[in-house]
Amino acid sequence: GAVVSQHPSRVICKSGTSVKIECRSLDFQATTMFWYRQFPKQSLMLMATSNEGSKATYEQGVEKDKFLINHASLTLSTLTVTSAHPEDSSFYICSAHPGVAKNIQYFGAGTRLSVL
Amino acid sequence: QKEVEQDPGPLSVPEGAIVSLNCTYSNSAFQYFMWYRQYSRKGPELLMYTYSSGNKEDGRFTAQVDKSSKYISLFIRDSQPSDSATYLCAMSAYRGSTLGRLYFGRGTQLTVWP
Repeated sequence: GAVVSQHPSRVICKSGTSVKIECRSLDFQATTMFWYRQFPKQSLMLMATSNEGSKATYEQGVEKDKFLINHASLTLSTLTVTSAHPEDSSFYICSAHPGVAKNIQYFGAGTRLSVL
Repeated sequence: QKEVEQDPGPLSVPEGAIVSLNCTYSNSAFQYFMWYRQYSRKGPELLMYTYSSGNKEDGRFTAQVDKSSKYISLFIRDSQPSDSATYLCAMSAYRGSTLGRLYFGRGTQLTVWP
């Protein structure tokens, strides 16, 4: 149980295009989903917290107009990197929180974004 | 001071060795403690979960939490080359606006050589 599917796993795009990444909880309902960014040999950096049906809460320094998050249902959250530039190239990972007392997050496999 | 401190390593051990990984933290509100394993270019995989203080064992893995010292450990017995990965400690609070948010260590890169 507790499977989180993230798609696509790899994206290569031209500068200026927008990229959408999907995060789905397959066997549980996720009241909260999180989006992280990870640089090589670094830990995960929280970008935003997404609650179903409400606006995402962004961490300081993360541009909300650049990284659009939509959490339309209890099993799906999307991250759209708008007008991507080479500096947006990174590993993006989502996680889902089932909303029960254990306070555990389950992670997707990540999306490697390369902006040319 | 970061809320969670973890030595990034790298740590290199021979197959069969006992591995000890550790994290310290500063926030006394943390009650949930986790260890994640992350293979290169993959998402973190939950290995161990502990609530409050104490020990938890699962196969070759043992997690320990000492809340009085704000110190958590993960022990890997009979380490295998397949254990080579980055190990991330993570913790979260049980109350307040940060409920559900995880605070991560930097991760320790482990290599187990045959």
